[in-house]
Amino acid sequence: SQTIHQWPATLVQPVGSPLSLECTVEGTSNPNLYWYRQAAGRGLQLLFYSVGIGQISSEVPQNLSASRPQDRQFILSSKKLLLSDSGFYLCAWSAGALNQPQHFGDGTRLSIL
Amino acid sequence: GENVEQHPSTLSVQEGDSAVIKCTYSDSASNYFPWYKQELGKRPQLIIDIRSNVGEKKDQRIAVTLNKTAKHFSLHITETQPEDSAVYFCAASSNTGKLIFGQGTTLQVKP
Repeated sequence: SQTIHQWPATLVQPVGSPLSLECTVEGTSNPNLYWYRQAAGRGLQLLFYSVGIGQISSEVPQNLSASRPQDRQFILSSKKLLLSDSGFYLCAWSAGALNQPQHFGDGTRLSIL
Repeated sequence: GENVEQHPSTLSVQEGDSAVIKCTYSDSASNYFPWYKQELGKRPQLIIDIRSNVGEKKDQRIAVTLNKTAKHFSLHITETQPEDSAVYFCAASSNTGKLIFGQGTTLQVKP
């Protein structure tokens, strides 16, 4: 069966520091991969999605970037974190075919001090 | 652009009553509509989904209806229980594969 791993679960970082969040999927090939951010008490904002290695689509201009160095690995990065980057970051995957359910990882709660 | 509106933002019901959450979407090309349940501090989990070739789908106490002409779909929970308390998100997918999420409904089931 397919599983998605996301780490770390929680992270406290100072303003201006770099960020790297990692997500890996097991049990499937060529998945679509997604990064979402969820502010406290708010909805899900799609940040990036990828349909294949090296293919990244950015949904909103921001201080973050994403990379997909391997088929089942998706990384969210920042060179310099801002206070506004705080939130709950969720990675998700879906099968490569259209209109398939997305399955979420356990998320990373990021606090910027 | 693509948009999904979800109502109400909060819903409080007595245990045993029914709960209904409604969503409307703007992209007439949308043809896949999942619903997610998110408990506090946890990840969203898929609870039911429906595709555009079906008008209604049911799974035990949960059902979803779709009206493509009106571009709206609804989640129905019957015989609500305290463990149904959570935030519920609807979403609509277009052929790009992205999901456009509603803003969520906080459901509180009072014992």
